Amino acid sequence: DTGVSQNPRHKITKRGQNVTFRCDPISEHNRLYWYRQTLGQGPEFLTYFQNEAQLEKSRLLSDRFSAERPKGSFSTLEIQRTEQGDSAMYLCASSSDLSREQYFGPGTRLTVT
Amino acid sequence: AQSVTQPDIHITVSEGASLELRCNYSYGATPYLFWYVQSPGQGLQLLLKYFSGDTLVQGIKGFEAEFKRSQSSFNLRKPSVHWSDAAEYFCAVVSPNDYKLSFGAGTTVTVRA
Repeated sequence: DTGVSQNPRHKITKRGQNVTFRCDPISEHNRLYWYRQTLGQGPEFLTYFQNEAQLEKSRLLSDRFSAERPKGSFSTLEIQRTEQGDSAMYLCASSSDLSREQYFGPGTRLTVT
Repeated sequence: AQSVTQPDIHITVSEGASLELRCNYSYGATPYLFWYVQSPGQGLQLLLKYFSGDTLVQGIKGFEAEFKRSQSSFNLRKPSVHWSDAAEYFCAVVSPNDYKLSFGAGTTVTVRA
């Protein structure tokens, strides 16, 4: 069991550029979640998938954000036309259908300059 | 409105002393409850969870938490703190009919020698 992995770990981009992050969940987990964490705050829910179906999106997820999980395995989170307010840690987690325990990856820290 | 409150932003404790971190929640029904720990620049590690049953739950790294329904609380404790326990601690909840976690703002623990 290799745990949840995220790539890249750090991303620095200029305002207006597009960025894409990847999350690989624990292999037997069919639920996958994205959260955003800003400095000094707890993580905030963005969206989650059950297999390849995106079941819920937070109102924090503006139309510049899109997430996919095409084959029910890894997931990508894309931010288009990045803004400085998008600077945050983006966390991915996974869980099985049988348990509410979510296991988190190390996160991708995004800095928009 | 549903909420999770961690009243203490920052706690400083001496190595070897006991530690208690507070968490209160406001939910329509008793949610499932979790404590996570986050070391600087890292993702979140699950310390322990409460779903039902015995209200005193044991977790990893010598931590325990007690669920008190009458006080809507789920406080985390450790009898003797080690320097490696310096980190940020998050209380999280999820409704029984939901999957997304709601987090408190976190408590930063500093351990002095």
